[in-house]
Amino acid sequence: DAGVIQSPRHEVTEMGQEVTLRCKPISGHNSLFWYRQTMMRGLELLIYFNNNVPIDDSGMPEDRFSAKMPNASFSTLKIQPSEPRDSAVYFCASSLDWSTEAFFGQGTRLTVV
Amino acid sequence: AQSVSQHNHHVILSEAASLELGCNYSYGGTVNLFWYVQYPGQHLQLLLKYFSGDPLVKGIKGFEAEFIKSKFSFNLRKPSVQWSDTAEYFCAVNRTDSWGKFQFGAGTQVVVTP
Repeated sequence: DAGVIQSPRHEVTEMGQEVTLRCKPISGHNSLFWYRQTMMRGLELLIYFNNNVPIDDSGMPEDRFSAKMPNASFSTLKIQPSEPRDSAVYFCASSLDWSTEAFFGQGTRLTVV
Repeated sequence: AQSVSQHNHHVILSEAASLELGCNYSYGGTVNLFWYVQYPGQHLQLLLKYFSGDPLVKGIKGFEAEFIKSKFSFNLRKPSVQWSDTAEYFCAVNRTDSWGKFQFGAGTQVVVTP
């Protein structure tokens, strides 16, 4: 298996633009997590899904952020409109179920100018 | 709510020195415990995990961790570090009794000098 695949690897966008980050979890994994990593706040859990259903989105910073998982092999994290403070590395991770170890993707480095 | 505390934010040590990183969690129920490592510019990778059984677990690259239930701790150790161990280390906890979510500590930046 190729592991968790995220795209794009790097994204530079202007403030106010919509940004969509994509994630393909490991095949057969039932849980998917979106994290944001910054120097100031470290690794933050934004939202996680189990069997494509959002279980906890309490970490989503504000209404500008939304995440979907239309099927077991694909998830998106959308920021609309984007702001410079959204600049961070966004990681997607998946696990076999909600209690086993999570496998991380390579991350998307987002820069909002 | 559960929280995960890592005692040190930055550790600097010389090659061949021993390393111990502290991790405590606050949840009183049954948990699964993990240590992840993030090398510069890379994603998080699993070092080791504890689900049950022997509280002393061995992971990759010579790392080990000990689960002490009474202290709610899961400290990471390596007897002799190498320059290549320079990385950020994250402790993570996941509850087993509900729709768990991985709760990560703030991370410890470890720098190993030649």
